[in-house]
Amino acid sequence: DAGVIQSPRHEVTEMGQEVTLRCKPISGHNSLFWYRQTMMRGLELLIYFNNNVPIDDSGMPEDRFSAKMPNASFSTLKIQPSEPRDSAVYFCASSRGHGGPGNEQFFGPGTRLTVL
Amino acid sequence: QQQVKQSPQSLIVQKGGISIINCAYENTAFDYFPWYQQFPGKGPALLIAIRPDVSEKKEGRFTISFNKSAKQFSLHIMDSQPGDSATYFCAASDEEGAQKLVFGQGTRLTINP
Repeated sequence: DAGVIQSPRHEVTEMGQEVTLRCKPISGHNSLFWYRQTMMRGLELLIYFNNNVPIDDSGMPEDRFSAKMPNASFSTLKIQPSEPRDSAVYFCASSRGHGGPGNEQFFGPGTRLTVL
Repeated sequence: QQQVKQSPQSLIVQKGGISIINCAYENTAFDYFPWYQQFPGKGPALLIAIRPDVSEKKEGRFTISFNKSAKQFSLHIMDSQPGDSATYFCAASDEEGAQKLVFGQGTRLTINP
């Protein structure tokens, strides 16, 4: 299996621009997670989906952030407009079932976003 | 109450030594405690996990010790090797929010040869 695939791996953009991060979960996994990692705040869960339905988006920082999962094999995280404080590494992870014991979350390699 | 506090932030251990990373939590509903290992430029990967019905779990050189009454758990790496140099995260979740892992701040471990 190819694992969780994320694109792009690196993104540099200017403040105010729209940014779209993409994720392909592991085939057969029905839960998908978006995380943000920064030095200051560590690893934060932004949103997760189960069977393509958003279950908990309480970690989404503000309305500038939106996530979609149109089908079981693709998800996007969009930031519009982007701000310098959005600079971070964004991880996508997937798991079978509902996560937790026996349903390990597998992380992708991440997208390093820099907003100038 | 949802926080997981991890210490130390960084740790340097000589090759062959024992590395110990500690985590503490407040939410008594937490019942799943995984440890993740992250190498530079990579995503975190599950290393070992424990449920609170046991006080210790060992997998090779890696051991989780769990103290339910103190609400603390720790990762011990025996015979630490340079290849163990990475950032380690503890995490926790409860059955109700099983998908929602709360992560500690991470510990950057360096094993000197």
